[in-house]
Amino acid sequence: DGGITQSPKYLFRKEGQNVTLSCEQNLNHDAMYWYRQDPGQGLRLIYYSQIVNDFQKGDIAEGYSVSREKKESFPLTVTSAQKNPTAFYLCASRNSDYGYTFGSGTRLTVV
Amino acid sequence: AQKITQTQPGMFVQEKEAVTLDCTYDTSDPSYGLFWYKQPSSGEMIFLIYQGSYDQQNATEGRYSLNFQKARKSANLVISASQLGDSAMYFCAMREGSSYKLIFGSGTRLLVRP
Repeated sequence: DGGITQSPKYLFRKEGQNVTLSCEQNLNHDAMYWYRQDPGQGLRLIYYSQIVNDFQKGDIAEGYSVSREKKESFPLTVTSAQKNPTAFYLCASRNSDYGYTFGSGTRLTVV
Repeated sequence: AQKITQTQPGMFVQEKEAVTLDCTYDTSDPSYGLFWYKQPSSGEMIFLIYQGSYDQQNATEGRYSLNFQKARKSANLVISASQLGDSAMYFCAMREGSSYKLIFGSGTRLLVRP
């Protein structure tokens, strides 16, 4: 079955460390997105990519980096510059005006 | 700038009754799309319903309908015959016309009482 796989489901990071969240899709979608969700809040856009080898900053890109070397993959790195990285991270892809598919998310906790 | 507003942080509804979740939006782009998603405690985002800005009729999907009032810039979700499994967070979202970014509201937590 086609879909989006996010891994790991839970991730713990020590302060000062970089961590990378994985997002893989087998839907052949061109566009992919990363969102952050804090408890009781809506989703905020971190980065998005409309096509391979191209990506743009969203509303809260500071402290994050991405790459889009393959159509299927859009990894998100949370750097040590992100002051409050504890959150739920959701990846999504799009194939049409309304065809957005979300992954099951990664819960990142700083310990 | 585009914006989505959900003014109801929490709502209660009796099982089998209908409930309306409010959503207003702001955009200067004539082409946009409006979405409703359900998020259970597991965190997954479940697509419920979509309304395009040029659609003449209100969207319906089973027990879900979208009350689209373009002049008032509102896109309220109506859930008919509420079920216990409808208890979850509900998010309204808008697609920007040119970038296809999805912008989300702050959500409404719905609790269905037996």
